[in-house]
Parts: sequence; structure tokens; C-alpha cells
Amino acid sequence: DAKTTQPPSMDCAEGRAANLPCNHSTISGNEYVYWYRQIHSQGPQYIIHGLKNNETNEMASLIITEDRKSSTLILPHATLRDTAVYYCIVLSGTSYGKLTFGQGTILTVHP
Amino acid sequence: DARVTQTPRHKVTEMGQEVTMRCQPILGHNTVFWYRQTMMQGLELLAYFRNRAPLDDSGMPKDRFSAEMPDATLATLKIQPSEPRDSAVYFCASGSGQGSNEQFFGPGTRLTVL
Repeated sequence: DAKTTQPPSMDCAEGRAANLPCNHSTISGNEYVYWYRQIHSQGPQYIIHGLKNNETNEMASLIITEDRKSSTLILPHATLRDTAVYYCIVLSGTSYGKLTFGQGTILTVHP
Repeated sequence: DARVTQTPRHKVTEMGQEVTMRCQPILGHNTVFWYRQTMMQGLELLAYFRNRAPLDDSGMPKDRFSAEMPDATLATLKIQPSEPRDSAVYFCASGSGQGSNEQFFGPGTRLTVL
């Protein structure tokens, strides 16, 4: 599975949009981009995933560039409860869900 | 709502003792994963099962760790004998295996080996 690169930390003001970038320049055609987050002392939580089209659900939006070499997770109205470590993971459809977690981005939402 | 449950939530034991951690996957999920999280190594996949059969346990130290699924509602991870370096949070996750790699994680077992 392709390697991902994320900034180690980001800050965001409560109520504003949080835009978390992820680079995955070696992604191949059958690999999906998955986002998980881990709030302190809890297990990781699935957020969203996509292949090449932009995706939106009740938690977030995922924007994937046309060349698929990078993506952005958008939390449209960040709250204090969104403070967490966010992981971007690239995974092929035949990986049987073997998630490889990197260091992720620590997002801190400030009042 | 449906959740993955893990027991115990906390375990303190002495070096050399056997430790058993249990996981109840979400009903109907056919894939079960065990992860370990430490400050140094982050989140690591130890083993996973599909339809109760072990598919990959390459992330697990074979000499002391063992993972099983006695039935579809129970997964176990055993460490015998335990060592201080096994101190970590152990997460179980389950997935439906229905074309998505969405996994649902339990709350974890925090293990401290003295």
C-alpha cells in the first residue's frame, strides 16, 4: 500500500473549517484513501473514504485531487470534540482491511 | 447501538504471568483485527481473522502471543509469559468485509506489565 505524508500538527478555531492535507504521491489505481481519527484514550474511528471522486458524509468531506496524489479532509465546522489525531491511510481493495497507521496529524481545535 | 466490546479495560500484571484479552465483535461482522498501540511504535496490526480463520498474524511475536476466535462472538489475544515491553493499549476492531475497509474499534485494553 502507498505511503502517506501528513503534517504532524495543526490548529483550528472552533466553528471554522479544518482542512487536513495528505500526500500520497505513489498511490496506485486500485487504492482507496481512508481517514480515521483517534480521540484521546479512545479507539480509532472511521471518518470517510474515497477512490477518486469527492465524498461527503455527516462527519466530513474528502477532496481528492484529479491526479490522486493528494487529498484533503475537511471538517466544515470544527468543534472542541474534533480535537484528535487524524490518520490518512491508503489501502487497496484487496488488502482485507489491513490498516497501516502512520503518525497522523494532531488537530487541536481552540475555543 | 452496535459496538465492539473489550474486556478487561485495564490490566496490571507481573512479568511472567499469562494475560488474556477478550473481544466481542459487532454481530454479523466477519473480520476481526487486533492492534497494539504504544508511544514509541504507534498503532500496529498484530493479527486478523476472516470468518474465524486467521489470515495474517505476521505482526505478532509468535513465541509468546496467540490469537484465536473460539466462535463468531469471541476473539481472544493471549500473552504467555508477559514481559514489561508488552505494556500497551490493545485494540480489537471488527468489519463487515462487505467491500469496505471500514473498521469499528473497541475501547481497548490498557495492559501494564510490571
